[in-house]
Amino acid sequence: DTEVTQTPKHLVMGMTNKKSLKCEQHMGHRAMYWYKQKAKKPPELMFVYSYEKLSINESVPSRFSPECPNSSLLNLHLHALQPEDSALYLCASSHPPDRGYSNQPQHFGDGTRLSIL
Amino acid sequence: GNSVTQMEGPVTLSEEAFLTINCTYTATGYPSLFWYVQYPGEGLQLLLKATKADDKGSNKGFEATYRKETTSFHLEKGSVQVSDSAVYFCALSAWGYQKVTFGTGTKLQVIP
Repeated sequence: DTEVTQTPKHLVMGMTNKKSLKCEQHMGHRAMYWYKQKAKKPPELMFVYSYEKLSINESVPSRFSPECPNSSLLNLHLHALQPEDSALYLCASSHPPDRGYSNQPQHFGDGTRLSIL
Repeated sequence: GNSVTQMEGPVTLSEEAFLTINCTYTATGYPSLFWYVQYPGEGLQLLLKATKADDKGSNKGFEATYRKETTSFHLEKGSVQVSDSAVYFCALSAWGYQKVTFGTGTKLQVIP
């Protein structure tokens, strides 16, 4: 069982739909991440939130919109996606690499498998 | 920039065989090193970690030693099981940075 929970596990949507992916962690972590993973590839970083503020955006298209309502929740809002956006979307959390923490590992959820029709 | 190089897969082994998956890295300073495992249909799980030179990370029979002189972090297991079949990612995190650099992953298949 993972301590980072992602919902839904699977999502099929059309190119004109709006949907959201959700991620929740109760590990007391103050950094949360979104990754995109294509088949047989490593995860690619999309966004990083530290202390509920967006700290890194890896030049992700605006059709992906992240949101961090509080320290335990992370959302990814999707709108007007393209077929090439079909992938496994992973959420992760960790202690931020500051305030006395050395580089702590990230803990991943099981992901949302997204298919764009 | 930082980079991680893993041996190409897939690696196919018989049950109870010895496993080595090579990993070398390039980074400035003193990164933390990790091995993650991804089972089919799941996310990444942290397998083991090492934060400084000569540290040995271990978990579930897997081991890896942080070798600064050879910039390596090879994953080993003395006797693999069918349940170890998965994709293994070597990764590093540079001090003070939130980005993790992943290797390309190595698929391991263990046959009975």
